[in-house]
Amino acid sequence: EPEVTQTPSHQVTQMGQEVILRCVPISNHLYFYWYRQILGQKVEFLVSFYNNEISEKSEIFDDQFSVERPDGSNFTLKIRSTKLEDSAMYFCASRPNRDEKLFFGSGTQLSVL
Amino acid sequence: SQELEQSPQSLIVQEGKNLTINCTSSKTLYGLYWYKQKYGEGLIFLMMLQKGGEEKSHEKITAKLDEKKQQSSLHITASQPSHAGIYLCGADLGAQKLVFGQGTRLTINP
Repeated sequence: EPEVTQTPSHQVTQMGQEVILRCVPISNHLYFYWYRQILGQKVEFLVSFYNNEISEKSEIFDDQFSVERPDGSNFTLKIRSTKLEDSAMYFCASRPNRDEKLFFGSGTQLSVL
Repeated sequence: SQELEQSPQSLIVQEGKNLTINCTSSKTLYGLYWYKQKYGEGLIFLMMLQKGGEEKSHEKITAKLDEKKQQSSLHITASQPSHAGIYLCGADLGAQKLVFGQGTRLTINP
């Protein structure tokens, strides 16, 4: 089965640094998502993206966050100035249309020191 | 308040026993999804329900969506150690916002 690929699997950064988390969605998918999961907590919706623009975003997704689909295959999440509380597992997901299931990547574990 | 409420939050059952996990929303759901997450890993799709009254089964797992499309249940028959993990219900709340419940942590005791 095709897979959503996320890199890196682990990222360690210093507080205040910028990080970019990368995802390669499945090639014919049109809807893209980022979620985060703080250790021991629920999977939280961050943002959805369709037709090269943000469709929905949560209150977590503030000005420090941005998403981009720079080249038609990658889908990135940028955190401009990381905080300790940004430490979490970040999941990318995609689906071919909005009535289908989400396909999830295996996540990037972000640790902010 | 939670958009999706799951119960129970954790469940410990003896191997071979049946169990049920519930997922409730105060709003009508456009689509209801069940996923499983092993500790520290990604989400594995189990089932999707879209129509009121719909029921689907795969191996020993059955999921149902009520007629009003506000409540779903996941039932596991004759549980096995491989069923252990965190079960998540997710739902499309209109537009393109698929949100998840807080999860149910299932432990199977041999």
